[in-house]
Amino acid sequence: EAQVTQNPRYLITVTGKKLTVTCSQNMNHEYMSWYRQDPGLGLRQIYYSMNVEATDKGDVPEGYKVSRKEKRNFPLILESPSPNQTSLYFCASSPRRSGGHTGELFFGEGSRLTVL
Amino acid sequence: GENVEQHPSTLSVQEGDSAVIKCTYSDSASNYFPWYKQELGKGPQLIIDIRSNVGEKKDQRIAVTLNKTAKHFSLHITETQPEDSAVYFCAASLGEKLTFGTGTRLTIIP
Repeated sequence: EAQVTQNPRYLITVTGKKLTVTCSQNMNHEYMSWYRQDPGLGLRQIYYSMNVEATDKGDVPEGYKVSRKEKRNFPLILESPSPNQTSLYFCASSPRRSGGHTGELFFGEGSRLTVL
Repeated sequence: GENVEQHPSTLSVQEGDSAVIKCTYSDSASNYFPWYKQELGKGPQLIIDIRSNVGEKKDQRIAVTLNKTAKHFSLHITETQPEDSAVYFCAASLGEKLTFGTGTRLTIIP
């Protein structure tokens, strides 16, 4: 089954304790992206990657890191989490398309993170 | 960067009536406008999209219209059904960046 898999789905942690949210897709997609969803703010892009070893900042990259060493994986790293990073996080992937836009995004089920 | 505004934030309609959600965007270079539906506890799913060289697109009960001059686009759902209840997001794509609106919670009243 074609899917984007995120882990963990739920996590409660404390300020400053490094954590990684993994994301894996089995559709051989080139494009991957991380979003955070907050009430009243919609989905905001954190980082995106157009291919292996190619990552770029989205609109809210502060406090996050990513890496793209393999095509299928795009982990999100919070080196020193703070309470304002409490949010619902979504990973998404897309095949590259001509026309200069992202095309259809396929989203994971989300990871709800609470930082105390 | 791109800025997308979406209205209304909540919308309740009687089953069988139509629902309209509107979005505006700021950057005239944006060229792709998808709409996503998010059901409770799940990730968003694409329901319809439109490219900047097209004014209207329809897929069964849903349709999207785009006015490039005014920089706004709208989602129309006709003959609404209970399963249409969800949060809907519009978005605008400027190259590889996709910017979402703030979402509309649509409730269908039986």
